[in-house]
Amino acid sequence: DAGVIQSPRHEVTEMGQEVTLRCKPISGHNSLFWYRQTMMRGLELLIYFNNNVPIDDSGMPEDRFSAKMPNASFSTLKIQPSEPRDSAVYFCASSIGAGGNNEQFFGPGTRLTVL
Amino acid sequence: GQSLEQPSEVTAVEGAIVQINCTYQTSGFYGLSWYQQHDGGAPTFLSYNALDGLEETGRFSSFLSRSDSYGYLLLQELQMKDSASYFCAVWKNFNKFYFGSGTKLNVKP
Repeated sequence: DAGVIQSPRHEVTEMGQEVTLRCKPISGHNSLFWYRQTMMRGLELLIYFNNNVPIDDSGMPEDRFSAKMPNASFSTLKIQPSEPRDSAVYFCASSIGAGGNNEQFFGPGTRLTVL
Repeated sequence: GQSLEQPSEVTAVEGAIVQINCTYQTSGFYGLSWYQQHDGGAPTFLSYNALDGLEETGRFSSFLSRSDSYGYLLLQELQMKDSASYFCAVWKNFNKFYFGSGTKLNVKP
């Protein structure tokens, strides 16, 4: 099993540009999570999907952030327009089932730098 | 928001036992998880507790006391490779997940 796949692994962009992060969950997992990690704020849950439906997006910082899951094997997190304070490592994770009792498998992360 | 309290840093020597504590707010609580993250890596799942008591998995054990809103991760026979950050995370209200700020464990020879 390839595990959770994220792309790109690194992204450097300029303020105001659109950024799209991609995630392929583990086959057979029906829950997908997007997290952001920074030194200041730690690991924050942005949004999660169950069976491709957004369940909780209360962690999405503002309207500049949007996430989609058009099918069971693909999800995107988009930031438009990007700002320097969005610089962080963004993790995607997947699990069998939506409950906290299910192990979440994390991807390698995308390190985003907004200049 | 939610408040999970865990120490920021712990240092111990190889072969020792270390306990990392985590306290949380009670409302809506379902369960407590622990994750390990090495520098530059992704978090990996260690354990989950929903009921009071101790869960043992090899050298690692996790404990929960719901009445005290408290849990801990116990690492035995410490090895250098255990040097990492350890996060507690709570599952609440069936659809909320919150991670603590992490405890950096330094294992010294």
